[in-house]
Amino acid sequence: EPEVTQTPSHQVTQMGQEVILRCVPISNHLYFYWYRQILGQKVEFLVSFYNNEISEKSEIFDDQFSVERPDGSNFTLKIRSTKLEDSAMYFCASSEIMGFYEQYFGPGTRLTVT
Amino acid sequence: DAKTTQPNSMESNEEEPVHLPCNHSTISGTDYIHWYRQLPSQGPEYVIHGLTSNVNNRMASLAIAEDRKSSTLILHRATLRDAAVYYCILSGDSNYQLIWGAGTKLIIKP
Repeated sequence: EPEVTQTPSHQVTQMGQEVILRCVPISNHLYFYWYRQILGQKVEFLVSFYNNEISEKSEIFDDQFSVERPDGSNFTLKIRSTKLEDSAMYFCASSEIMGFYEQYFGPGTRLTVT
Repeated sequence: DAKTTQPNSMESNEEEPVHLPCNHSTISGTDYIHWYRQLPSQGPEYVIHGLTSNVNNRMASLAIAEDRKSSTLILHRATLRDAAVYYCILSGDSNYQLIWGAGTKLIIKP
């Protein structure tokens, strides 16, 4: 069964450093998303992406964040200057149709900012 | 704030049916009802979704009240692998900006 993959599984970085989290969505999916989950807290939507453009973003997704689909398979989330409060699990998801219908999530990247 | 209300936790015995309730009294006519689950240390997993009619798939059934103010996710025969946090989420016009609540932690007893 096709699945969303994410690398790395765990990333440790120092405050102020840039990090890039990578995702490979399911190949025939056209809609891509990033979510985060701070330890012990709720899942939070960050951004959705379609046709090489951001479709929608939350208040969390400020100028420190950016997304890109650099080639036909990868989907990346970049945090320019990490803060301690960026420590969280980051989940990538993809879907065949627009919206919250049947989104397939990856296993997540645990980001630890020290 | 979350637009759905779910019990914090529920327990069930293995191989028995499980009924997970969700209240959404402020649901609008265009809101879909989605269920996702999150197994320990994993990403969320889609379970089922519906609008008005009851829905069945290979994982579960979704029973939606006639007034749509509540719904129930039914796992017909729970296994240990079904132990997870189950989220009931509404999506409306803005399908992306969804509010995930705390969900129901389902504990399956062998």
